[in-house]
Amino acid sequence: NFMLTQPHSVSESPGKTVTISCTRSSGNIAGNFVQWYQQRPGSSPTTLIYDNNQRPSGVPDRFSGSIDSSSNSASLTISGLKTEDEADYYCQSYQYGNRWVFGGGTKLTVL
Amino acid sequence: EVQLLESGGGLVQPGGSLRLSCAASGFIYSTYAMSWVRQAPGKGLEWVSGISNSGGSIYYGDSVKGRFTISRDNSKSTLYLQMNRLRAEDTAVYYCAKNGEGREWPFDYWGQGILVTVSS
Repeated sequence: NFMLTQPHSVSESPGKTVTISCTRSSGNIAGNFVQWYQQRPGSSPTTLIYDNNQRPSGVPDRFSGSIDSSSNSASLTISGLKTEDEADYYCQSYQYGNRWVFGGGTKLTVL
Repeated sequence: EVQLLESGGGLVQPGGSLRLSCAASGFIYSTYAMSWVRQAPGKGLEWVSGISNSGGSIYYGDSVKGRFTISRDNSKSTLYLQMNRLRAEDTAVYYCAKNGEGREWPFDYWGQGILVTVSS
């Protein structure tokens, strides 16, 4: 069994770029796809990135995903930050044995 | 437009039961796997259970195995979660989620969530 570890919080100014990491505790990060979800305050999650780096239709290209085998981690990068990007962000991956694992979530503050 | 509408939540005593429903529309329901994901107050997301498009494959998280039962009625485009022997730690917002394409069932659409409170 593996865990996905995210920073508890990050902050950045409007217009800047921020990267949120998601580190897999065991097994190869590239072995299973990583998804990213955004949850604005008081709202349900929405899907930002699936299959490591694919954006659903309607998600701006300011949002991008990647994986890095050297650090065994995935990253969500948000460029041109807007105040509306202030939210919680969760990474998620599939674990063999039919389990779906979420990271603990990262609170993004845009100040 | 995909819509997922949960219902059936509320306040229940420890040891009690509750059945959640999720009415789906805007897609061919019988084609996709579905899941339940929960979020305890102030906490992160936790996968609870998943079911294949036909209902032939069913999976549970360790914290609910043996107490919760997932099912679906493809004729009614509805997903269910029967929750028995409820505990205080089951208190959470429960989200119905549609699984997308691919063998790893990523979540692609989410309902608005329904609150379940387990308390005496």
